[in-house]
Amino acid sequence: DTGVSQDPRHKITKRGQNVTFRCDPISEHNRLYWYRQTLGQGPEFLTYFQNEAQLEKSRLLSDRFSAERPKGSFSTLEIQRTEQGDSAMYLCASSLAETTNEKLFFGSGTQLSVL
Amino acid sequence: AQTVTQSQPEMSVQEAETVTLSCTYDTSESDYYLFWYKQPPSRQMILVIRQEAYKQQNATENRFSVNFQKAAKSFSLKISDSQLGDAAMYFCAYRSEDSNYQLIWGAGTKLIIKP
Repeated sequence: DTGVSQDPRHKITKRGQNVTFRCDPISEHNRLYWYRQTLGQGPEFLTYFQNEAQLEKSRLLSDRFSAERPKGSFSTLEIQRTEQGDSAMYLCASSLAETTNEKLFFGSGTQLSVL
Repeated sequence: AQTVTQSQPEMSVQEAETVTLSCTYDTSESDYYLFWYKQPPSRQMILVIRQEAYKQQNATENRFSVNFQKAAKSFSLKISDSQLGDAAMYFCAYRSEDSNYQLIWGAGTKLIIKP
């Protein structure tokens, strides 16, 4: 297991199109997080899962965004009717919740450009 | 609400020298965690060092150490013997003791290493 992987690495789409990103966490990790990062800023929390349950979703997250984690393994993040303001890097992270010294492991992100 | 501030958008240091990156935060909580993450051009966010607020002793990881001043709400990162591979964006982050998921991030400091 080489860590958290995200696909695709880059995505260019036209405004109004739907896009879907995939995240494969470290296999034994039960928590999975999605963050969004715009240029010159730190990441912004979007949502997180414990196993297959989505336990928290940012109030800033538009209804156009939806995330799933079927079977508590990989996760997908879908953005419907994309807007230019959705252009950002989307980061996925995973962790093992039972450890007292919980550490997040991040993927390399999906860079989305909406034209 | 908690906030994290990194007042240095960019710092540069000569290879083998020491550099200190600043971070301040605002919180009314007494128990929390602070982190420094590194984001190289590969975009993967990598944990550099972690500090529990209840610990008075400053955390150290090889060439990386922190100066944690709880009363002043300051959490600076010192990098000794700077290496070319240290060049990256460095982010300071805060997490509440009772929050399993939400990291509050600073805007980052770009560290340039001069050979």
